[in-house]
Amino acid sequence: KAGVTQTPRYLIKTRGQQVTLSCSPISGHRSVSWYQQTPGQGLQFLFEYFSETQRNKGNFPGRFSGRQFSNSRSEMNVSTLELGDSALYLCASSLAGQVPSSGANVLTFGAGSRLTVL
Amino acid sequence: GQNIDQPTEMTATEGAIVQINCTYQTSGFNGLFWYQQHAGEAPTFLSYNVLDGLEEKGRFSSFLSRSKGYSYLLLKELQMKDSASYLCAVRALTGSYGQNFVFGPGTRLSVLP
Repeated sequence: KAGVTQTPRYLIKTRGQQVTLSCSPISGHRSVSWYQQTPGQGLQFLFEYFSETQRNKGNFPGRFSGRQFSNSRSEMNVSTLELGDSALYLCASSLAGQVPSSGANVLTFGAGSRLTVL
Repeated sequence: GQNIDQPTEMTATEGAIVQINCTYQTSGFNGLFWYQQHAGEAPTFLSYNVLDGLEEKGRFSSFLSRSKGYSYLLLKELQMKDSASYLCAVRALTGSYGQNFVFGPGTRLSVLP
């Protein structure tokens, strides 16, 4: 079955602009998580969505937001971009919330969207 | 809070064995995961421990001691393609079926010929 698909793969924006990233999870997965990855900070959790509801949220400013649609596809938005927002944004899907917790509830990541803010 | 530590970089020789350590402090522990990430690619799942002990999967093994907050990933018969970053991640349960993953900084492994 198809994996996690993220678009766009690469994008360049300037400070002050906003950006929307998209993620299509593995078919049947209803949990979608977003992570920011930078060389200095590693993988940082942004938020998790399940059945169109934000279930968990990381420690990021309100400029970072997301949503999930009825087909489990998710988008994240970053407004008023800053230079420090340059990063790889990774989306991951899992069966968390659909089956009892187990090793099977691993995260499957997409290839990521690499954002450069100039 | 939650904190995970790993060595930043390691170097080993092709054919050798390498052990990557991970220490963690977390609440609501429900499993420790290891992911492999090649440069420019997505992290991919390697192994999972929820109980103490050793889990073996081919050339890769992972060990967990919950009382010590310690895990390691053991890679045997190293190959050049094993050059990658290895991410240690702790899962905590939130609510009924929710889960939250906290990732360590990653260990960049370089395998030399």
